Amino acid sequence: DAGITQSPRYKITETGRQVTLMCHQTWSHSYMFWYRQDLGHGLRLIYYSAAADITDKGEVPDGYVVSRSKTENFPLTLESATRSQTSVYFCASSDWSMNTEAFFGQGTRLTVV
Amino acid sequence: GQQLNQSPQSMFIQEGEDVSMNCTSSSIFNTWLWYKQDPGEGPVLLIALYKAGELTSNGRLTAQFGITRKDSFLNISASIPSDVGIYFCAGQPYTGANSKLTFGKGITLSVRP
Repeated sequence: DAGITQSPRYKITETGRQVTLMCHQTWSHSYMFWYRQDLGHGLRLIYYSAAADITDKGEVPDGYVVSRSKTENFPLTLESATRSQTSVYFCASSDWSMNTEAFFGQGTRLTVV
Repeated sequence: GQQLNQSPQSMFIQEGEDVSMNCTSSSIFNTWLWYKQDPGEGPVLLIALYKAGELTSNGRLTAQFGITRKDSFLNISASIPSDVGIYFCAGQPYTGANSKLTFGKGITLSVRP
């Protein structure tokens, strides 16, 4: 099916472990984004990518790493997970420029224990 | 940075009632978007607005781009139980490659049958 999919939907990991959240889109959208959603903060941008091999920091990038070797994939890695990174993570994509609508995946609920 | 203000945090209405919510900013935005998030899902785009004064409808939903460019409004008419969810506004300050979407913190809508 066309769209944007995230995996896994749920993840529990231990403090200090590395964990990677996957995001795949089938629209060939040029822009992809990672947000985290926390109570009281709404959606905050972690990283974004304008095209393959082009990434840039958002509002809250510390502790995260991204890569974009292919247009359709945009994985987010927590190199050494901390409890403060417990959150719901959303991947999104949009077409040609950032002034068009962003379409979101279903989210990954990550718990760091 | 830019902030979008949505208040109150929660709204409770009776089925069949109309409800209005607004989103305000101290700075000008070039694009306004309204999203709805159902529990356990990612935000889904409801309406996109690109011109000051623009009024756009999507079924029972109507949204307006404020003429000052510093606010936007969403109206839901004849509410039904499936309108329950979190409503986010999002804005983009200008058109261009580095213009990122800013999200409000959302309003949680409850509809009493």
